[in-house]
Amino acid sequence: AQSVAQPEDQVNVAEGNPLTVKCTYSVSGNPYLFWYVQYPNRGLQFLLKYITGDNLVKGSYGFEAEFNKSQTSFHLKKPSALVSDSALYFCAVRATTHTGGFKTIFGAGTRLFVKA
Amino acid sequence: DAGVIQSPRHEVTEMGQEVTLRCKPISGHNSLFWYRQTMMRGLELLIYFNNNVPIDDSGMPEDRFSAKMPNASFSTLKIQPSEPRDSAVYFCASSFGQGTGNTIYFGEGSWLTVV
Repeated sequence: AQSVAQPEDQVNVAEGNPLTVKCTYSVSGNPYLFWYVQYPNRGLQFLLKYITGDNLVKGSYGFEAEFNKSQTSFHLKKPSALVSDSALYFCAVRATTHTGGFKTIFGAGTRLFVKA
Repeated sequence: DAGVIQSPRHEVTEMGQEVTLRCKPISGHNSLFWYRQTMMRGLELLIYFNNNVPIDDSGMPEDRFSAKMPNASFSTLKIQPSEPRDSAVYFCASSFGQGTGNTIYFGEGSWLTVV
């Protein structure tokens, strides 16, 4: 079955420390992978995506993610966390539909808390 | 660009009433998505349209839910009759293409409470 998993419900990190939000996936074919962020009472916003090419993808607000094919992972990272990074983060993957088309599947989300 | 516009932003209604949520996608986008977000179930894709045609409605929970897209700039999600378990945030989103490698842009959501 095609799926995306975010194994941590919550990640806590101190401001200034590096952060990692984990994501693993299971899809047929080449994966298209995405990270979105949701701030309180807002819609989801696109952060970055991997389609092809360099395994390290850089995105908005200083975030980056590394595609690892052998581990089927796409972890989100940032070298130095900010309190304003506190939000809900969603990993997403392109999946094929029963009609042969495509749709985007979102993970359950990981809540990131950055303490001052 | 105004982004994806949803209305109403908040609605409180009584059980059994009809609820209609509205969405205006970003101009030029040809795919439109309706998602539902709850604490228990997370973010669920209800239905998506491509070029105004429903492509996958397998996520629509039951016959009480229906969605239409009469033209490229407008879509509705209707719940009739509404039930308390329908309380959730409903997001409309759009993209150019079927979201395959293209960014999906979300509206701010319609916060529905059914009492």
